[in-house]
Amino acid sequence: EAEVAQSPRYKITEKSQAVAFWCDPISGHATLYWYRQILGQGPELLVQFQDESVVDDSQLPKDRFSAERLKGVDSTLKIQPAELGDSAMYLCASSHSTGANVLTFGAGSRLTVL
Amino acid sequence: AQSVSQHNHHVILSEAASLELGCNYSYGGTVNLFWYVQYPGQHLQLLLKYFSGDPLVKGIKGFEAEFIKSKFSFNLRKPSVQWSDTAEYFCAPRGADKLIFGTGTRLQVFP
Repeated sequence: EAEVAQSPRYKITEKSQAVAFWCDPISGHATLYWYRQILGQGPELLVQFQDESVVDDSQLPKDRFSAERLKGVDSTLKIQPAELGDSAMYLCASSHSTGANVLTFGAGSRLTVL
Repeated sequence: AQSVSQHNHHVILSEAASLELGCNYSYGGTVNLFWYVQYPGQHLQLLLKYFSGDPLVKGIKGFEAEFIKSKFSFNLRKPSVQWSDTAEYFCAPRGADKLIFGTGTRLQVFP
């Protein structure tokens, strides 16, 4: 069964450092999502791509977070500088397109900021 | 604005007990509704979905959910839970191409 690949699975960093997460969606999926899940809460959408274009980044803290999907395939989410409150699970998901489609999630990247 | 509310944060049941998890959403337009589940140590995965038609939908592992439009609700049910149903359950309405998640309900089932 096709999967959404994410790396690294775990990342520990000190505050003010830069950190990056990578996601490879299911082949052929045009829509890619980055969610953040803080312990004890539901996932919160950070950014949504349709191919290489951002269609929703309203909840992305743009002063420190950036996301790109240059060729419309894999994607990178970067945080610089990391803050203590960024400790969370960062989930990537993909779907065939927007609309009434099911999202397939990756295993996530757990970030701990010390 | 779109929002979702899950009423139960933590539910503890014995095996064979019946389960109902509440979910209410707020959105003025057409909405698709999902329940996702996260088993310990595993990915978030789809449990069931409602797009249109019969408001009673069936998902994997004996779960079902009923869409009641007048109440803006999409409650999850299972007649008889098993120990293996121990997981976190998320209600997720999708409107205007944006999928949002509730805060989740942690279900613990004891043998």
